[in-house]
Amino acid sequence: SAVISQKPSRDICQRGTSLTIQCQVDSQVTMMFWYRQQPGQSLTLIATANQGSEATYESGFVIDKFPISRPNLTFSTLTVSNMSPEDSSIYLCSVEDGGYQETQYFGPGTRLLVL
Amino acid sequence: GDSVTQMEGPVTLSEEAFLTINCTYTATGYPSLFWYVQYPGEGLQLLLKATKADDKGSNKGFEATYRKETTSFHLEKGSVQVSDSAVYFCALRRLDNQGGKLIFGQGTELSVKP
Repeated sequence: SAVISQKPSRDICQRGTSLTIQCQVDSQVTMMFWYRQQPGQSLTLIATANQGSEATYESGFVIDKFPISRPNLTFSTLTVSNMSPEDSSIYLCSVEDGGYQETQYFGPGTRLLVL
Repeated sequence: GDSVTQMEGPVTLSEEAFLTINCTYTATGYPSLFWYVQYPGEGLQLLLKATKADDKGSNKGFEATYRKETTSFHLEKGSVQVSDSAVYFCALRRLDNQGGKLIFGQGTELSVKP
């Protein structure tokens, strides 16, 4: 399975600021995804990060709030913009290993607290 | 739309007890089904999966069988350990023109006492 790392692992931020989260994979993958896990909640897909094109956002998530980059097949970033305390969550990236029956593997997550 | 429903937690068991965590789904077609586990302070780890009806996924003593007739994928383990304490998520993979997307249940917290 792919090995996925995320930076930072956690951060405490002030409202109104922005944070960029990095996701690095040890192999080239076609599909990368970003999820949000609010405190005590399940995971919700934010967007699919497409290499070489705009990300595809799920209902309720917009590019101005969560801009995503995908410059190559091993790296992606998610920015949480103009943060408010409601953005306090764990943000996880995942990749789909198309060679192993299309299973998604997850990074360790970034724990964000907005004050 | 597609959805996953899990039994509510927390579930508290004594060590060596039998575990069942119920999971049912609603989906068009025949999605792949997954169980993920999240240990305290960590990300999600794939526990097991099944891709078609009657498949049984198994790993680390955990099992789940894809039941099309009851649209269920219940997680079982014969004898739990304290180290199994975690949150367990059932998920289905939905296909669309952007590839596969996971839809998760709400998670079930398991606490195993010595």
